[in-house]
Amino acid sequence: QSQLQESGPGLVKSSETLSLTCTVSGGSISSSAYYWSWVRQPPGKGLEWIGNIFYRGSAFYNPSLRSRVIISVDTSKNQFSLSLSSVTAADTSVYYCARLAGSWDLDSWGQGMLVTVSS
Amino acid sequence: QSALTQPASVSGSPGQSITISCTGPSSGVGNYKVVSWYQQHPGKAPKLIIHEDSRRPSGVSNRFSASKSGTTASLTISGLQAEDEADYYCCSYVGSNTLVFGGGTKLTVL
Repeated sequence: QSQLQESGPGLVKSSETLSLTCTVSGGSISSSAYYWSWVRQPPGKGLEWIGNIFYRGSAFYNPSLRSRVIISVDTSKNQFSLSLSSVTAADTSVYYCARLAGSWDLDSWGQGMLVTVSS
Repeated sequence: QSALTQPASVSGSPGQSITISCTGPSSGVGNYKVVSWYQQHPGKAPKLIIHEDSRRPSGVSNRFSASKSGTTASLTISGLQAEDEADYYCCSYVGSNTLVFGGGTKLTVL
């Protein structure tokens, strides 16, 4: 079972770009069996799917965030990353990275990282 | 895409059974495909407890079961225990490599 760990700044200024990285250990990110996902959860609220990426680079995004999101992958480092531009206070959330299995379930999750957008 | 609809909260006493529903919109029914369920304790990451509509991952208690009919998926927890108190989320693959979550249900064990 893969282990995932989010990293990046915990505080981002409004209108700037949020950038997080997920490091995968215990397995290769280049496996054809999985996609790699980002999910977020505003404080006290529910989960929101952000997007998925395959190790070859094909990415798919939540339509509500598509204009501001880029997910990328670095197979040499066994990492994938999230970039969310033009952030506002509404983007303050715990951001999770997760592994998406072929049956469309998120079977392994990082511990999550709180990112606060400040004005 | 629209979120899946779950009750905000459910409750039950130890030993009882509860069911949490997860409903897709009345239109576009065919877009709501395979469903998974997640358990989330406060301050923790979600944990997969059901995949492919009704299958339990290895290590998940058989007190958790699920089904799907038409536009509604359901999660049943039997023999409630204090440790089951958590938030529960359904999630569906909706095609075009996209996912949608339900709003979440808070389970209180009385």
